[in-house]
Amino acid sequence: DTGVSQNPRHKITKRGQNVTFRCDPISEHNRLYWYRQTLGQGPEFLTYFQNEAQLEKSRLLSDRFSAERPKGSFSTLEIQRTEQGDSAMYLCASSLSQGSGNTIYFGEGSWLTVV
Amino acid sequence: AQKVTQAQTEISVVEKEDVTLDCVYETRDTTYYLFWYKQPPSGELVFLIRRNSFDEQNEISGRYSWNFQKSTSSFNFTITASQVVDSAVYFCALSEATGGFKTIFGAGTRLFVKA
Repeated sequence: DTGVSQNPRHKITKRGQNVTFRCDPISEHNRLYWYRQTLGQGPEFLTYFQNEAQLEKSRLLSDRFSAERPKGSFSTLEIQRTEQGDSAMYLCASSLSQGSGNTIYFGEGSWLTVV
Repeated sequence: AQKVTQAQTEISVVEKEDVTLDCVYETRDTTYYLFWYKQPPSGELVFLIRRNSFDEQNEISGRYSWNFQKSTSSFNFTITASQVVDSAVYFCALSEATGGFKTIFGAGTRLFVKA
């Protein structure tokens, strides 16, 4: 059983460029989450999906951020017009909505550096 | 609103010492889950333990044990006979029914175990 997979693992981009991250959750998991983590901080919730429906978005998710999960399987997180403050690790996680106490399992994360 | 507080920023112990990591949470829900995650230097968040709000029985799993007390809203985590490989950042997390069971994290406690 494969875990949560994220790519790319590292991305360096110039300010103003767009970037997209992909997440493939654990195959039977119907919930998928995006978090952001900066150095010395805990993961901050950004958004989550149940199947293809985006159920909640954090105030942290500005208009430049968009997440999709078109077929209820993989998800993408796009950041438009990147700013230096977007530099962080973007974490994807997945879970079952029932039966596992909503335990979420994380991928290895995607590091973004905006220069 | 849900909140998790980990007052200890860093803890340093010598190998074989026992160490307890503190966690205090806030929630208005009666149904919620509490978690501990470990983030080693490699960066991936690893699930360690889960407790639901209806079960205050404390348990031991190998070198890990936890003390869940609803009266004080605390969920402390103890590592017995610490080892160098336990060096990591440990995060306490809370998932509540009202929040759609999204999981929020504390700021983390960095544990250094010296040989």
